[in-house]
Amino acid sequence: DADVTQTPRNRITKTGKRIMLECSQTKGHDRMYWYRQDPGLGLRLIYYSFDVKDINKGEISDGYSVSRQAQAKFSLSLESAIPNQTALYFCATHDFYGYTFGSGTRLTVV
Amino acid sequence: GENVEQHPSTLSVQEGDSAVIKCTYSDSASNYFPWYKQELGKRPQLIIDIRSNVGEKKDQRIAVTLNKTAKHFSLHITETQPEDSAVYFCAASSRGGADGLTFGKGTHLIIQP
Repeated sequence: DADVTQTPRNRITKTGKRIMLECSQTKGHDRMYWYRQDPGLGLRLIYYSFDVKDINKGEISDGYSVSRQAQAKFSLSLESAIPNQTALYFCATHDFYGYTFGSGTRLTVV
Repeated sequence: GENVEQHPSTLSVQEGDSAVIKCTYSDSASNYFPWYKQELGKRPQLIIDIRSNVGEKKDQRIAVTLNKTAKHFSLHITETQPEDSAVYFCAASSRGGADGLTFGKGTHLIIQP
């Protein structure tokens, strides 16, 4: 079983719609992250969380919000999706030994 | 904030030759430098990392070097094989990565048979 699971794997949505991407983990890590990957730009940090009461903005948080429902669950929301939020989104967990990434969610906003 | 520059963007080498990818960073507080390999359609996978108290680290055919004074670090792959073909990302972070990673833009490594 995957230790960092993202749902959905692919999603197409319309401009202006609210959408939630979900992430769950079985690694028992406190730290969870959301990254966005665009072609030619690498990965950029959107939000991160150290526990359910600790949420921090990353480099590109505008237009996004997050919810840490439990140690194992960290969701990313786009309140009103726009086409330039079309990207590949990765959730990750972290401990001393490094990051573990989920398989990604490919989001297309039309 | 941190800025990471990575070169080259594309690197083509003959199978069996060595490949070197270079990164520079801007924040002198950065102390953790991982390298990730990403195959097409897959998640990034950690291949090696180095912390600022170490100048070099090796794992079989892969090595990373760090020059803190010059603020640059490099990935070296020897005896390249077809399965090494992928996109490689460097990253930098302070606090051992706890506050997130700043990534370079990636290097597409192509191994020519």
